Amino acid sequence: AQSVTQLDSHVSVSEGTPVLLRCNYSSSYSPSLFWYVQHPNKGLQLLLKYTSAATLVKGINGFEAEFKKSETSFHLTKPSAHMSDAAEYFCVVSDQYGNKLVFGAGTILRVKS
Amino acid sequence: NAGVTQTPKFQVLKTGQSMTLQCAQDMNHNSMYWYRQDPGMGLRLIYYSASEGTTDKGEVPNGYNVSRLNKREFSLRLESAAPSQTSVYFCASSVRTPSNQPQHFGDGTRLSIL
Repeated sequence: AQSVTQLDSHVSVSEGTPVLLRCNYSSSYSPSLFWYVQHPNKGLQLLLKYTSAATLVKGINGFEAEFKKSETSFHLTKPSAHMSDAAEYFCVVSDQYGNKLVFGAGTILRVKS
Repeated sequence: NAGVTQTPKFQVLKTGQSMTLQCAQDMNHNSMYWYRQDPGMGLRLIYYSASEGTTDKGEVPNGYNVSRLNKREFSLRLESAAPSQTSVYFCASSVRTPSNQPQHFGDGTRLSIL
């Protein structure tokens, strides 16, 4: 079965410093991978997706993620954090039948001024 | 441009009461989903509907029923609410399965069961 592990439940950075949110996945086939963001009291918004094209995926708001098959990782990065980036981030993998998504437990990003 | 609309936004129930959560999308999507979100557990799929007229169980279907009323609307029913069903419920839609298609989410229904 497919699974996702987000390695940090909380990450705290200062405004203007880089962001790294770590995600490892388990899959017996070539997966589709996503990062979603959830701001307080809101639904989830798609940041970016990987579907076997370029391994470096660019998303909205300056975020990007790199698919590394050898490490089974799909880490999310941003060069410079902004206060508005404070939110919860979810790494997501599609299931092997392609019908459903499997969510990680989430990483809460705090941005300090 | 509403996207996915969920009603109600908040609800408090007593144990044993029944309730239907409503979801509608205006993006002409074929597939719709219901999730529950609990702290530290991400989102877990309750039921989904790949297309109008079909529904399938997800990871945590027990205690819930769904109805795909038409292409736009997908409702979730709790027949006899239990405290373990206290959660935030999200409806989502996508153009279709397979799931390399991104899903679009509503803002959630916060449900407390006493």
